[in-house]
Amino acid sequence: DAKTTQPPSMDCAEGRAANLPCNHSTISGNEYVYWYRQIHSQGPQYIIHGLKNNETNEMASLIITEDRKSSTLILPHATLRDTAVYYCIVRVGSVGSSNTGKLIFGQGTTLQVKP
Amino acid sequence: EAGVAQSPRYKIIEKRQSVAFWCNPISGHATLYWYQQILGQGPKLLIQFQNNGVVDDSQLPKDRFSAERLKGVDSTLKIQPAKLEDSAVYLCASSIDRDNYGYTFGSGTRLTVV
Repeated sequence: DAKTTQPPSMDCAEGRAANLPCNHSTISGNEYVYWYRQIHSQGPQYIIHGLKNNETNEMASLIITEDRKSSTLILPHATLRDTAVYYCIVRVGSVGSSNTGKLIFGQGTTLQVKP
Repeated sequence: EAGVAQSPRYKIIEKRQSVAFWCNPISGHATLYWYQQILGQGPKLLIQFQNNGVVDDSQLPKDRFSAERLKGVDSTLKIQPAKLEDSAVYLCASSIDRDNYGYTFGSGTRLTVV
């Protein structure tokens, strides 16, 4: 079973920041938080991941709370092309471990960016 | 780099028939995954390969599903016989190794069983 809880849907105005929350209260110390998104009729696409510190790349920013029990994905300037299902995933295992590193998907958040 | 290739893109079969899906991962990616995504749900892992060996097939319905990756490169997933509830998108993903951070997914094969 997925170890994360996300709201089923959210709306965002085009050009505004989209803040997608995720709860992962049972996360372990060596588990990473991953975010993927899935645009209609495509496979999931990797966005960003983090362990403890906040992370930023060309697509998004990831803010992880100090207790690591929740996180927020931020799309700084949402466009219509960001309309998709966003999955927050806790990844079993870590670099160098013997775990399989599989990604277990939940239901995700459907983000609708509106003009 | 070329992405994960899957074929066919769509397939319609009658129940109790057999079907096979093909996946060619990104060159050099040792780890390959097959996921099943039923409409309205997140993808569910069916099987994970490391090179040509099975790492995890705990969620694979082995009475009807089988998968192989004989030379550690491309892979096939087979369903025999198909049931109505097998209607789904079958996604293939690959990563450099099982400790690598990101997976790359293919566009999937949409199976409809009638």
